[in-house]
Amino acid sequence: AQSVTQLDSQVPVFEEAPVELRCNYSSSVSVYLFWYVQYPNQGLQLLLKYLSGSTLVKGINGFEAEFNKSQTSFHLRKPSVHISDTAEYFCAVRNYGGATNKLIFGTGTLLAVQP
Amino acid sequence: EAQVTQNPRYLITVTGKKLTVTCSQNMNHEYMSWYRQDPGLGLRQIYYSMNVEVTDKGDVPEGYKVSRKEKRNFPLILESPSPNQTSLYFCASSTRAQETQYFGPGTRLLVL
Repeated sequence: AQSVTQLDSQVPVFEEAPVELRCNYSSSVSVYLFWYVQYPNQGLQLLLKYLSGSTLVKGINGFEAEFNKSQTSFHLRKPSVHISDTAEYFCAVRNYGGATNKLIFGTGTLLAVQP
Repeated sequence: EAQVTQNPRYLITVTGKKLTVTCSQNMNHEYMSWYRQDPGLGLRQIYYSMNVEVTDKGDVPEGYKVSRKEKRNFPLILESPSPNQTSLYFCASSTRAQETQYFGPGTRLLVL
């Protein structure tokens, strides 16, 4: 069975500081990997995704993530955060070539950017 | 504009009173699903549908029903809601071949 672990439930950070949100997954098959962002009182928005190819993927709003197969990780990074980045971030996986498009989500990390 | 819409956005109801949350997408997607989001648990899939008249259970289907009579619509039905169904619900859609799911804005449900 697949699972996704986001060890940090909350990450406080000062504005303009760098940030890394950690995501590890467990799967016996190849996977697609995603990061979604949920701003306060809003739905989920796709931040970036890894399907194949280059292990470093760039997303919207200056975020990027690196797929590390040996460590089964897909950590999200941003070199300089803004107040507007305050949101909850979800890592998710999906089976490569699976019969369904089911996403398995982590429990989320609340990024709290302080001035 | 390509989108997934849900109605209502907010709903307060009482135990046992049947309710339906609608979901509609205008992207001609085959695949649709429902998730619930609870603090500390992330999002969990309730039901999904691979196409019209094809539905199946997700990870937490108890207490829910769905139907897929038309490609664009995928309503979530709570026949007899209970307080443990108080949650934030999201509908999502995608093509079968596509890896990205598009999410609706969410429906916040409170069952008293």
